[in-house]
Amino acid sequence: GAGVSQTPSNKVTEKGKYVELRCDPISGHTALYWYRQSLGQGPEFLIYFQGTGAADDSGLPNDRFFAVRPEGSVSTLKIQRTERGDSAVYLCASSRGVGEAYEQYFGPGTRLTVT
Amino acid sequence: AQSVAQPEDQVNVAEGNPLTVKCTYSVSGNPYLFWYVQYPNRGLQFLLKYITGDNLVKGSYGFEAEFNKSQTSFHLKKPSALVSDSALYFCAVRGRSGNTGKLIFGQGTTLQVKP
Repeated sequence: GAGVSQTPSNKVTEKGKYVELRCDPISGHTALYWYRQSLGQGPEFLIYFQGTGAADDSGLPNDRFFAVRPEGSVSTLKIQRTERGDSAVYLCASSRGVGEAYEQYFGPGTRLTVT
Repeated sequence: AQSVAQPEDQVNVAEGNPLTVKCTYSVSGNPYLFWYVQYPNRGLQFLLKYITGDNLVKGSYGFEAEFNKSQTSFHLKKPSALVSDSALYFCAVRGRSGNTGKLIFGQGTTLQVKP
C-alpha cells in the first residue's frame, strides 16, 4: 500500500517568510508525528497527534512553529518568520496507534532551506 | 532526561563478517527500543523493536538486536554483512509511561561494508 507522503520534497524560502509543509499518513493510521533532522544528527521530535488533537507538542522549539491535523488524517506543519536555523529535513511519520509500541512509518521528508 | 548514545560515528566491516552497531540508552523505567535504517535519499525504515520478553529480537534483512537491561544497551547485530547493508543506522527509545509515541533517537552510525 501507499506509504507516508510529504510535499514538497524541497522548499527554499527567504528568511522571514512563512512556509507550510504537508504530510499524508498511511490510511487508517491514527497517530501522526513530526520530527526535524539536522545534518549529521538523528531525528528530533517536534509534535505528535492522536486523531485531530496534538497529544504532545513538547518538541516545538518556539511559537513560530505550529501544526494542525483538522480531520485526523493530513497534517500541516507551519513555520512563521523563518530563520536560517530552521533549515533541516522535516520528517513525518504515522503509526496505527500508540499502544503496544506500534512502529512508526516515516515519509521521505521535506528539505527546508532558509536563505 | 531521556537520551540515546551511539558511540561510533562509523563502523567498517568486510562483507561476510559479522557486524555490531552499538547503542546505549538512559531512560527511566523499561523503554521500548527500536532500530531504523536510512538509505541515501530515502526515508527511515523500521528494522526491529524490543517490547518485552526474549532479549534477542529478530528483524528485517537478517538483523537482530540484543537487549541488555543491566548495561542499558540494545546493540544491533548481523552474522554476515552484505555490501547492500551499507547505510545510516539509528537507535531509538520510547518511554512506556504517559500517552506519547515520541521517539528519542541517537545521532546515527554509518555502516560501511566493503567487498
